[in-house]
Amino acid sequence: NAGVTQTPKFRVLKTGQSMTLLCAQDMNHEYMYWYRQDPGMGLRLIHYSVGEGTTAKGEVPDGYNVSRLKKQNFLLGLESAAPSQTSVYFCASSIRLAGTGANVLTFGAGSRLTVL
Amino acid sequence: DAKTTQPPSMDCAEGRAANLPCNHSTISGNEYVYWYRQIHSQGPQYIIHGLKNNETNEMASLIITEDRKSSTLILPHATLRDTAVYYCIVRVASGPQEKETSGSRLTFGEGTQLTVNP
Repeated sequence: NAGVTQTPKFRVLKTGQSMTLLCAQDMNHEYMYWYRQDPGMGLRLIHYSVGEGTTAKGEVPDGYNVSRLKKQNFLLGLESAAPSQTSVYFCASSIRLAGTGANVLTFGAGSRLTVL
Repeated sequence: DAKTTQPPSMDCAEGRAANLPCNHSTISGNEYVYWYRQIHSQGPQYIIHGLKNNETNEMASLIITEDRKSSTLILPHATLRDTAVYYCIVRVASGPQEKETSGSRLTFGEGTQLTVNP
């Protein structure tokens, strides 16, 4: 049981290049999320998904696109990378705890992206 | 969602209890209190959550005041490995019938940097 796996772990891009970050979870979780974390700051939600085939915008969605074609995978795309997107990206998945409505997130190890 | 207030930093001696406070004076009746921590450069890790009653698990205890306006996370015997940023988050419970569109999202503030000293 690997939990939440993010690939790649590190990537350096030039301004204007595109790339996709992949998040995979093997816990059969319904919900998945992409956060970014800038130095010295908390996490900010980019996009999230409440189920296969669905996506929704979070706090800071501009410049990113996402897809959830399979329940276990959540892809984050940057179509034209900008230096402001240099950050550490965290993927998470969660399931609503039966009988309580609480929702506990499991995070991946992060993907460090640098845009030059 | 209710806003939370945490001290930016705290120190604790190794082996002693670490008591991390969180103020959430605008919390509503159906909002849970969650605690996560983030060890340097790693993904955040779930610790514990509660609604009204005090909770305990293998990692920590959560004490919620009777009026629910504040809570305290207790690490009973802090170790050097507990040095991390601790996040207190308040979020409404997810609905049981609908495809949840809001309750599943957690908003992370800046948290408390706990440093456990030898």
